[in-house]
Amino acid sequence: EAGVVQSPRYKIIEKKQPVAFWCNPISGHNTLYWYLQNLGQGPELLIRYENEEAVDDSQLPKDRFSAERLKGVDSTLKIQPAELGDSAVYLCASSLSPEGTQYFGPGTRLTVL
Amino acid sequence: QKEVEQDPGPLSVPEGAIVSLNCTYSNSAFQYFMWYRQYSRKGPELLMYTYSSGNKEDGRFTAQVDKSSKYISLFIRDSQPSDSATYLCASTTSGTYKYIFGTGTRLKVLA
Repeated sequence: EAGVVQSPRYKIIEKKQPVAFWCNPISGHNTLYWYLQNLGQGPELLIRYENEEAVDDSQLPKDRFSAERLKGVDSTLKIQPAELGDSAVYLCASSLSPEGTQYFGPGTRLTVL
Repeated sequence: QKEVEQDPGPLSVPEGAIVSLNCTYSNSAFQYFMWYRQYSRKGPELLMYTYSSGNKEDGRFTAQVDKSSKYISLFIRDSQPSDSATYLCASTTSGTYKYIFGTGTRLKVLA
């Protein structure tokens, strides 16, 4: 069974440019998460989806970050405009249900110049 | 103070050694405890998942939770160079299901 798929794996952009990350969760997993991982730190939750609904987006900086999960499967995380401090790894995870264990994708490493 | 504290290391051990990785947490409501392994430039991979206090063993790995002291441990027996990675502990409560991660401990097993 395929794991969580993320693309692109690496992205380099200049500050003030927009960027988008894509995630395809494990088949049948209704819960999807986006995490931010800074260098030398553990992942921090940005947003959690139950099917199409964002049920926890309290840590998402809504002035520049947005996310969507149309049809309750794939998800896209967008940053517009990007800032230097956004350089980090953006991880997507999924679970069968909110109480299920979370399985992570390989992440997208963003560098903002 | 972070809710989950973890020594970042690095921790270097010789091949075959028993490794002890530890975390402390502050939230008494945490009931679920996880250990993830993360290789360089990869996503975290679930190793162990335990509920409440006690021990859980899986092959060379043993997870231990002591809720009275708010202490989480992962033991790796007969460590191998392939165990070299960053080990992340995480905790959550029932109901929120929001994982709180430690910073990760970088482990290097020397051949």
